[in-house]
Amino acid sequence: DAGITQSPRHKVTETGTPVTLRCHQTENHRYMYWYRQDPGHGLRLIHYSYGVKDTDKGEVSDGYSVSRSKTEDFLLTLESATSSQTSVYFCAISEEGGGADTQYFGPGTRLTVL
Amino acid sequence: QKEVEQNSGPLSVPEGAIASLNCTYSDRGSQSFFWYRQYSGKSPELIMSIYSNGDKEDGRFTAQLNKASQYVSLLIRDSQPSDSATYLCAVIRDDKIIFGKGTRLHILP
Repeated sequence: DAGITQSPRHKVTETGTPVTLRCHQTENHRYMYWYRQDPGHGLRLIHYSYGVKDTDKGEVSDGYSVSRSKTEDFLLTLESATSSQTSVYFCAISEEGGGADTQYFGPGTRLTVL
Repeated sequence: QKEVEQNSGPLSVPEGAIASLNCTYSDRGSQSFFWYRQYSGKSPELIMSIYSNGDKEDGRFTAQLNKASQYVSLLIRDSQPSDSATYLCAVIRDDKIIFGKGTRLHILP
């Protein structure tokens, strides 16, 4: 298995609170991604990173911010969580971008916003 | 039209039979196509990639691509109960990967 960990694995929080999810990789891959997965919507890209301090938006980026200060860590922050952000969040990594390379997924974080 | 469409299922197939999963996509310029398998409560894992028209075989799995008709399919021969999962089709558009919603496959023992 690709060396990807996500923390926390489960979190319950209240509306309006800030939440940060962490993705950590040991593969030294350049590209990192955050997805959310919801019934009826499938996997949707939130943000991705193509290097340290280099990030870009995906299709559902509103309400989320990211940071990547080290190759191995990619943080996803919900500044003020809402119930619509209840979801399963997956981090993924790849050596190359643009679909030229396999994406490996982390184990996921289940987030519940009450 | 949705970018990547899959029948949500569930698709029920007897053990030992061939399971056929289909996916259509809207962007005619798409060049790369993938099939991911996702067990319940787990993360997706890549099982097949295909880039040119025709068939690509890997063990019991065969991916088929028809760019003219804009569809990609996955055949699973000699289906096993362990193949029961959700299968996600994915397509590259503008250097980003777009996933379908997935088809739930249930192999009947």
